[in-house]
Amino acid sequence: QVQLQESGPGLVKPSQTLSLTCTVSGGSISSGGYYWSWIRQHPGKGLEWIGYIYYSGSTYYNPSLKSRVTISVDTSKNQFSLKLSSVTAADTAVYYCARTHTTSAFDYWGQGTLVTVSS
Amino acid sequence: EIVLTQSPATLSLSPGERATLSCRASQSVSSYLAWYQQKPGQAPRLLIYDASNRATGIPARFSGSGSGTDFTLTISSLEPEDFAVYYCQQRSNWPRTTFGGGTKVEIK
Repeated sequence: QVQLQESGPGLVKPSQTLSLTCTVSGGSISSGGYYWSWIRQHPGKGLEWIGYIYYSGSTYYNPSLKSRVTISVDTSKNQFSLKLSSVTAADTAVYYCARTHTTSAFDYWGQGTLVTVSS
Repeated sequence: EIVLTQSPATLSLSPGERATLSCRASQSVSSYLAWYQQKPGQAPRLLIYDASNRATGIPARFSGSGSGTDFTLTISSLEPEDFAVYYCQQRSNWPRTTFGGGTKVEIK
């Protein structure tokens, strides 16, 4: 059973960089076939896709966030990470990591972590 | 960007009743549509992928249908644990993907 777990600071100051890590267990990121994703949900709102990464390092980002987003992978630790720069209060959200495939949907999700942007 | 519009925003039903949720796409997404269930404080759970395929472990009372721009999620007989928010998601213009705004199924 694949499991994903987000970790990182729950509070980030405006203009700083939000950094989160997703640790994958029960399966290897390097086994291929899957894209490792970040998705966020503003309080009381719907879901917004942030981006994906493949184990090779190929990335795809939501055009609306592309200028501020970097997703990276560390296959030796079976982790992938999100960096979102120049954050504002509008970036306050629950951030989820998830797994997807080009021929399927988001089948495994982390529990989510709330990140609040505030001074 | 492909916009997904879900209706109704809220559905008030009693246990045992049939729930019919709609998701309409701003342009054709073929059959590349998924449905998720989300309960308070939890991550979304995949129910249906490619419009009509149940994900592993999903009860048979959940079914999906549709293609092109109009899709439906049907819960044949609501169980107490089915009261939640449901989202649709399209992947027709992969790698881009978008989600609908959600439908809340609440107890009447």
